[in-house]
Amino acid sequence: DIQLSQSPPIVSASLGDRVTITCRASQGIEMWLAWYQQKPGKAPKLLISGASALESGVPSRFSGSGSGTQFTLTINSLQPDDFATYYCQHYSTHPITFGQGTRLDI
Amino acid sequence: QVAESGGGLIQPGGSLRLSCAASGFLVTSNHMSWVRQAPGKGLEWVSVLYNSGTTYHADSVKGRFAVSRDSSKNTFSLQMNSLRAEDTAVYFCARAVRAAGGMFYMDVWGKGTTVTVSS
Repeated sequence: DIQLSQSPPIVSASLGDRVTITCRASQGIEMWLAWYQQKPGKAPKLLISGASALESGVPSRFSGSGSGTQFTLTINSLQPDDFATYYCQHYSTHPITFGQGTRLDI
Repeated sequence: QVAESGGGLIQPGGSLRLSCAASGFLVTSNHMSWVRQAPGKGLEWVSVLYNSGTTYHADSVKGRFAVSRDSSKNTFSLQMNSLRAEDTAVYFCARAVRAAGGMFYMDVWGKGTTVTVSS
């Protein structure tokens, strides 16, 4: 199975900051990577697919990049609604797997 | 959107059936998946049912869990047998988007239903 390793596990930031979360794959996955946002007690929300394609309705302060084994999720100008846990997920081969998550704290 | 139901407290070794009601799209025309989240843990994919009828399961549930759909009710179900304590989790139903490479990500998620396996 392909393992995804996210870093850091926890990041503390302030409103207006720029934050970058990294997701590393144990083997190349081309651009078959999605990012999700999850708030406590809620369902995950799809933010990005194809490593960099923003879902409709997701604010443009979110962006994704990378290919192969290293990917990043960047959030510019942090807003109060952005404090949540973020997960990457590969969809390169069976089984799909998720990273362990990065919690974004104020 | 999708909405799960059927969760609850079940003894180890027991069975439970979760249901996912879809609205705004047909489960028979789409790919559907279950993802779970143990208390305080991350997300774990469980099962997928492609619109072709093909199913796949995580190794952790293979042979114990099965997925199916009911076109008349537009629902997607997860039959869980031989439940273990480690199956305790919130179970999310999600619509799966299949990419050109053959695998999928999830674009519509339900709020989840809680399954607790304990004596």
